[in-house]
Amino acid sequence: NAGVMQNPRHLVRRRGQEARLRCSPMKGHSHVYWYRQLPEEGLKFMVYLQKENIIDESGMPKERFSAEFPKEGPSILRIQQVVRGDSAAYFCASSPDIGGGLSETQYFGPGTRLLVL
Amino acid sequence: AQKITQTQPGMFVQEKEAVTLDCTYDTSDPSYGLFWYKQPSSGEMIFLIYQGSYDQQNATEGRYSLNFQKARKSANLVISASQLGDSAMYFCAMREGWDYKLSFGAGTTVTVRA
Repeated sequence: NAGVMQNPRHLVRRRGQEARLRCSPMKGHSHVYWYRQLPEEGLKFMVYLQKENIIDESGMPKERFSAEFPKEGPSILRIQQVVRGDSAAYFCASSPDIGGGLSETQYFGPGTRLLVL
Repeated sequence: AQKITQTQPGMFVQEKEAVTLDCTYDTSDPSYGLFWYKQPSSGEMIFLIYQGSYDQQNATEGRYSLNFQKARKSANLVISASQLGDSAMYFCAMREGWDYKLSFGAGTTVTVRA
């Protein structure tokens, strides 16, 4: 999983503030996925992006959450007006091309731990 | 319905012994892929091993092997010769057909004792 970078690693916000989580995929990877891990649970899919396109955001809450993957720069997951229930670990993963088939592995970054006070 | 089920919340294993982590899955798609990831206490997710639904042989990667029983829809991870560094949470995940989403189980915590 070397190469997927996420920052910050830890983020503390007060209720009502905005949280911005950044993800730089592995070199050569054009597909980015965001997952959320609540305490003591497995990861849950949120959104899948390619450069400048949101492909699937079916796992993302309809309000307050948004994601982008611009032509230049990292992918951003933005959470507006955070609430305590948003406290979780947010993982970004990348893959080169889903044309690689079922075996196309998603490589994960180290995650951002968001704590909402 | 839960797509991935990991029934063992926690396990203890003696150093140098083997441990088997259970994973059962639910899908109606004949094409799917199964993945195991390790999450140590530092929190990152590390890819361990992959098994495709059409693979004839069980996957192996070093000390990791997958006991794939298609008819029973199980894909158990076997860690041989356990080391202290194997202490971590282990997640089973599945990708179905041409979908890109990974569905994860709840995980199993493994603690290796010296």
